[in-house]
Amino acid sequence: AQSVAQPEDQVNVAEGNPLTVKCTYSVSGNPYLFWYVQYPNRGLQFLLKYITGDNLVKGSYGFEAEFNKSQTSFHLKKPSALVSDSALYFCAVRDSLVGGYNKLIFGAGTRLAVHP
Amino acid sequence: DAGVTQSPTHLIKTRGQQVTLRCSPKSGHDTVSWYQQALGQGPQFIFQYYEEEERQRGNFPDRFSGHQFPNYSSELNVNALLLGDSALYLCASRFWREGQNTGELFFGEGSRLTVL
Repeated sequence: AQSVAQPEDQVNVAEGNPLTVKCTYSVSGNPYLFWYVQYPNRGLQFLLKYITGDNLVKGSYGFEAEFNKSQTSFHLKKPSALVSDSALYFCAVRDSLVGGYNKLIFGAGTRLAVHP
Repeated sequence: DAGVTQSPTHLIKTRGQQVTLRCSPKSGHDTVSWYQQALGQGPQFIFQYYEEEERQRGNFPDRFSGHQFPNYSSELNVNALLLGDSALYLCASRFWREGQNTGELFFGEGSRLTVL
């Protein structure tokens, strides 16, 4: 069965420092991986996705993610954190079943706190 | 360009009651999915509608039902509400065509249901 793990409940980083939010996955077949961000009392906003191609994926708001097949990881990164990046981040994998195009399996989320 | 819109934003019900949540997909999108996000957890897939039919269903009881209308909008109905149904209900949409199944989902801001 497909699954996603986000091993950290919370990540704390100082403004201006690089940040990493970790995600590991377990899938059968090729993984389709996504990162979403959720601000308080809001829905999910798409950040980036990995389907195929370059292992380094660039997304919105200066975020990028590195796909590592051997380590089954898809960590979210940003070179310089902003206080406004503070939010809840979700890693997700698309269900591999035929027709599962709309079924995403989400991790439990990681709360990112960026301190001034 | 309107994104995914959901109504109502908040509502309170009592155990045993029934609730209907509504969703209008992003312009140009024809596929709607519903997710339940309990407090402190990642979203969980409920079901997906395309061409007015339920195409895929997650691990939710029959108390959860839905509908898609010819204009692609959708409703989620929950009968015989339980305390455990309290959650943020998210609607997501995408444009689906054969061979173009790698696109991301666009989420609405959700309907927060509290069951007392």
